[in-house]
Parts: sequence; structure tokens; C-alpha cells
Amino acid sequence: QQQVKQSPQSLIVQKGGISIINCAYENTAFDYFPWYQQFPGKGPALLIAIRPDVSEKKEGRFTISFNKSAKQFSLHIMDSQPGDSATYFCAALFTNRGSTLGRLYFGRGTQLTVWP
Amino acid sequence: NAGVTQTPKFQVLKTGQSMTLQCAQDMNHNSMYWYRQDPGMGLRLIYYSASEGTTDKGEVPNGYNVSRLNKREFSLRLESAAPSQTSVYFCASTSKGGGLNYGYTFGSGTRLTVV
Repeated sequence: QQQVKQSPQSLIVQKGGISIINCAYENTAFDYFPWYQQFPGKGPALLIAIRPDVSEKKEGRFTISFNKSAKQFSLHIMDSQPGDSATYFCAALFTNRGSTLGRLYFGRGTQLTVWP
Repeated sequence: NAGVTQTPKFQVLKTGQSMTLQCAQDMNHNSMYWYRQDPGMGLRLIYYSASEGTTDKGEVPNGYNVSRLNKREFSLRLESAAPSQTSVYFCASTSKGGGLNYGYTFGSGTRLTVV
């Protein structure tokens, strides 16, 4: 059972455009929602993250929008650049009660291509 | 450079062979994880270790074993490799605590092909 559903699977955007990737989850116990960026041949790297008590988090050209009632969150990349071409994963963290150990559940990824 | 180091980077095995994937981190992290990445499937958790001496199964543990040798090292073993285990394997680590710095640090991966 997929804990975090991500769409679209692939995305092509023109340079300067806005890239939008969407994720949805069911488990209301998730308490941390990061996005990871992965370049070919590399491991995923943390890009930006948000807690569910915040509706929006912005870092440079990257923004997470979070809708707690709809159990959805999205990544917006403004002024998309060819260097942003990568695979993006959304994720959700579940922390066992009384523990500091968290388990991340990942979406299936979005392959973003930004054309110059 | 601080980070997560995985060896080997590439490996080809024949069906039935065994091997151990090595992972070491030098960030003094408590928790370590093994994921596999397959096209269109995202990253799926195989095993994890909350701290030295403890290990637990993740989503897809069948066919794998792990050892948390010490705080730095967490190895993944395939006892009898199968073609279904062809994948890219990532090791990750993180430290205790919350906040928005609860980020996993990933290694660069081991690309394993079982023929």
C-alpha cells in the first residue's frame, strides 16, 4: 500500500516556467514532510521540508504548499532552470510514540526536465 | 568530507551468490537505513537501525539481512541473490531530534545487477 502518492510521474517545463509536483497521504500521524532532489548517479538530497502546522514554506525558488485538511502537499519551483532537471521525491515521516526514531515513506518520484 | 560512504559502487552477481554491501557514516548519527530504489517505485525501506545493536525490518526485508557493526557502520547482506534484487541500494543516516533539520543523509548508492 502506497503511503505517499506522488504525481505526475514526469514533467517537462520550459526554462523560466513554474514546475508543480503534487503529493497526497492518508496517515494523519505523519508529522514532517520533506522533499528530496536526486541527480543521476547520486543519492537523494534534502531540498526543503515542512511541518503540518505550517501552510507554506519558501526557500529561494522552492516553495512547499501544505493543505492539512486535504492531506495534500506540493512543491513549486519558480523560474525553473535547466539545472533543476532531476528526480524529485516527496516523503512523509512517521515517528513512533515515545521514540525519536522516524521512518520516512517516499513517493514514487517525478522526473523533471527543464528545457532551455 | 563528512557523509555516508557506500561500497562497492557497482556489482554484478550471479543468481545464488552472496555479497555484503557496506555503509559507513562519520557524522555521529544514531539511526541508519537501507533503501532500494527501482524505476517508478521510489525508495523502499529494507531495514533500519535506531541505534547501535538494534535493527528492524522495513517494507521489503525478504532476502536481506543486516548488521549494525558499531555506531558508524551498517551492512546489508544478500545471502542468495535473485534477479528480483537487481536495484540501486542506498544507505542513509540521521540524528535524533526533531525540527526541520530531521534530514536523512544518503550515500551515493550501490548499483547491483543479478544475472
